[in-house]
Amino acid sequence: DVKVTQSSRYLVKRTGEKVFLECVQDMDHENMFWYRQDPGLGLRLIYFSYDVKMKEKGDIPEGYSVSREKKERFSLILESASTNQTSMYLCASSLVNSYEQYFGPGTRLTVT
Amino acid sequence: RKEVEQDPGPFNVPEGATVAFNCTYSNSASQSFFWYRQDCRKEPKLLMSVYSSGNEDGRFTAQLNRASQYISLLIRDSKLSDSATYLCVVNQLTTDSWGKLQFGAGTQVVVTP
Repeated sequence: DVKVTQSSRYLVKRTGEKVFLECVQDMDHENMFWYRQDPGLGLRLIYFSYDVKMKEKGDIPEGYSVSREKKERFSLILESASTNQTSMYLCASSLVNSYEQYFGPGTRLTVT
Repeated sequence: RKEVEQDPGPFNVPEGATVAFNCTYSNSASQSFFWYRQDCRKEPKLLMSVYSSGNEDGRFTAQLNRASQYISLLIRDSKLSDSATYLCVVNQLTTDSWGKLQFGAGTQVVVTP
């Protein structure tokens, strides 16, 4: 069964803290994605990766960075968390050239 | 202007009734279209792809109108379990081999007993 897991369901951090969100998939997928989902805005792509150590900016990369050292793991890093980064963060993966993305359960991050 | 626009709803539907809703997309170069379903507090999951000729999957029918740049989803004989947010998703092939997905904000459907 396809599985994407994220390190935390809920996270509360203070402004200025460095935040790590981890995502692991067990399907040997090449592509991995990080989105944020906000009411009325839908899912917006932050970064994606189509191979180990490869990364591409999405639509809203500012304030974020990513790391993909192993095929199954894709990390999202908030270098200095700000209150406008309070959101639901969703990780997804897919096979190369497949349009079906499999999502993790999400991490609801609150920055105070 | 958003690339993918949806009526947020909610569409309140009696059990057993039919509900239909549309989604418009702005980029005429878009090539692939999908409906994802997202249950409350859950992750999105692919419901169905949308083909040019229209397609059915059980009680669900998807249509594409390229001339007017919209796709539609129709749910027949609605079940309580159909209550969810339906996300319209559009893919646009970029210069590399990977296509980026654009998600709409979703249409909420509430099926009532």
